Amino acid sequence: QVQLVQSGSELKNPGASVKVSCKASGYTFTDYAINWVRQAPGQGLEWMGWINTNTGNPTYAPGFTGRFVFSLDPSDSTSHLQISSLKAEDSALYYCARGAASRLEHWGQGTLVTVSS
Amino acid sequence: QSALTQPASMSGSPGQSITISCTGTSSDIGAYNYVSWYQQHPGKAPKLVIYDVSDRPSGISNRFSGSKSGNTASLTISGLQAEDEADYHCSAYTTSITQIFGGGTKVTVL
Repeated sequence: QVQLVQSGSELKNPGASVKVSCKASGYTFTDYAINWVRQAPGQGLEWMGWINTNTGNPTYAPGFTGRFVFSLDPSDSTSHLQISSLKAEDSALYYCARGAASRLEHWGQGTLVTVSS
Repeated sequence: QSALTQPASMSGSPGQSITISCTGTSSDIGAYNYVSWYQQHPGKAPKLVIYDVSDRPSGISNRFSGSKSGNTASLTISGLQAEDEADYHCSAYTTSITQIFGGGTKVTVL
């Protein structure tokens, strides 16, 4: 069955970087895009963007340019989200999800990133 | 790009029907038939319950139905059950080739 398994929770100092991974299984990795979604504590969902798993080409939503980078390790069916120069307001749950055009059929379990000194 | 507009909360008694609205613009909901709805229980990842305005993924109860009129989409839950108590998020594809979510609606089963 399709599974997206994300890396564990992270506690980081302000200004540091974090890399979240999302390992896919149960399907051909390059057949579907991977999206990233943020959920701040007690808030709604925010679409961060997506990465084409065939070409590695990322697309970022407004507000998620500059410090946010999507990447791939196709040999391991894994997608990564790296956030640099972390700020307190980056503290959130980060989800990866498979799909496109608003149809996100399969989701990872979420990775909690906490930014605090 | 503002989030889609949903009511913050709604409630209903078991067996009743509720309809959650999701209002956007001609650049998102009104532009394409790419509207989805997600159910999210506390501490869990979102789960797709409706896609392409009114289609249900395999395994989703037919108590969930979706529709769209102009720039507003709706999710109807019929025969409300205790297990339906959750947050519901709408989403739409946009003319900027991006995706946008609503603020979420907390559904309480009385």
